[in-house]
Amino acid sequence: ETGVTQTPRHLVMGMTNKKSLKCEQHLGHNAMYWYKQSAKKPLELMFVYNFKEQTENNSVPSRFSPECPNSSHLFLHLHTLQPEDSALYLCASSQADSTGVYGYTFGSGTRLTVV
Amino acid sequence: DAKTTQPPSMDCAEGRAANLPCNHSTISGNEYVYWYRQIHSQGPQYIIHGLKNNETNEMASLIITEDRKSSTLILPHATLRDTAVYYCIVRAGGLKTSGSRLTFGEGTQLTVNP
Repeated sequence: ETGVTQTPRHLVMGMTNKKSLKCEQHLGHNAMYWYKQSAKKPLELMFVYNFKEQTENNSVPSRFSPECPNSSHLFLHLHTLQPEDSALYLCASSQADSTGVYGYTFGSGTRLTVV
Repeated sequence: DAKTTQPPSMDCAEGRAANLPCNHSTISGNEYVYWYRQIHSQGPQYIIHGLKNNETNEMASLIITEDRKSSTLILPHATLRDTAVYYCIVRAGGLKTSGSRLTFGEGTQLTVNP
């Protein structure tokens, strides 16, 4: 257990479904992230939240909708996904301070399959 | 953030030292070198980071050349559980620089053989 917990670990959903991925950290970190990792590709940053404010959206399609209600929780709401959205979705947190960001902590990921 | 270049794959015998190189010739003065690893289908795990000086922790050592244009991650006694993709990432310090992003490249697939 890394201190960043993601649920569910595996998810199979149809293209017309709506589902949500959940991430929770109790490390006292003030920044949280969603990354996507497709098969045999590098990790792609999707969203960044600093102090609950979204500071980065890397041209992610609107069928992915993040939500950060507080500094400990991060959600990724999914709707009308495509099969090519099947991937490992990773959440991470870090403590962003003025001297640099040390030691991002990642969750174990949610393996998403869109059918 | 500066670009890094790593070999796509390396092999190492169990019990021997694994030396993973990384080139970052365009690194600037305020950029740190970070190393992470990702065991198959798990989240990346932080290993070590450094700015100029060599660093050592319980997992590994990081050797940064004097001109800071390259570095080497050393796993002193590799085990089968060290088989993973290793990422070398260069990133500036501070919130004002590109937010808090950590950009991953292709990394090096290290395979530790029995």
